[in-house]
Amino acid sequence: AQKVTQAQTEISVVEKEDVTLDCVYETRDTTYYLFWYKQPPSGELVFLIRRNSFDEQNEISGRYSWNFQKSTSSFNFTITASQVVDSAVYFCALSLPGGYQKVTFGTGTKLQVIP
Amino acid sequence: GAVVSQHPSWVICKSGTSVKIECRSLDFQATTMFWYRQFPKQSLMLMATSNEGSKATYEQGVEKDKFLINHASLTLSTLTVTSAHPEDSSFYICSAPAQGRTDTQYFGPGTRLTVL
Repeated sequence: AQKVTQAQTEISVVEKEDVTLDCVYETRDTTYYLFWYKQPPSGELVFLIRRNSFDEQNEISGRYSWNFQKSTSSFNFTITASQVVDSAVYFCALSLPGGYQKVTFGTGTKLQVIP
Repeated sequence: GAVVSQHPSWVICKSGTSVKIECRSLDFQATTMFWYRQFPKQSLMLMATSNEGSKATYEQGVEKDKFLINHASLTLSTLTVTSAHPEDSSFYICSAPAQGRTDTQYFGPGTRLTVL
């Protein structure tokens, strides 16, 4: 079974600060996908990033970057120069390839960016 | 791009009534769809997997007789909450895998159910 842990329940930062959201996952499968989703108060999930288990290259996409380390089973997500619009709940998630592609979500981290 | 829609976006009903929620893939076919439930300030939990042309697969602890799932076509899955009670009040989200891909899921906007 898969498990995703987000130890940070709530984080508050002042606008323009950088913030890192932590995620640790568990799976016995060697092939898997990791995701970060944003859920604003409206409730609709917004896809942010995806990484497959064979690609540990860390990248930057605009103000977003991630640090994927298989050795520690971590997939941390960083927002640079945070903005008030970044305030939301962020979910880390994991899925397996193949026909049964259910997504296992972490417990979520509520981010509040204070102006 | 591909979109998954849900209808209604919100519904309020009286205890004891049944409520049907629709999940549609708008420009792609989905032989499989997933239904998630999210209680306030909690994570999304998978309820069931909807399979086109066959019975749904329910996660442990989910009552299949209470949450009826019908996947009658390649673009539509419905979740019916039968004899709803206040504890069924939740945010229900469906998703569908992108056609031909194993690394992409499209999520619907969710349906907020309130049972009085």
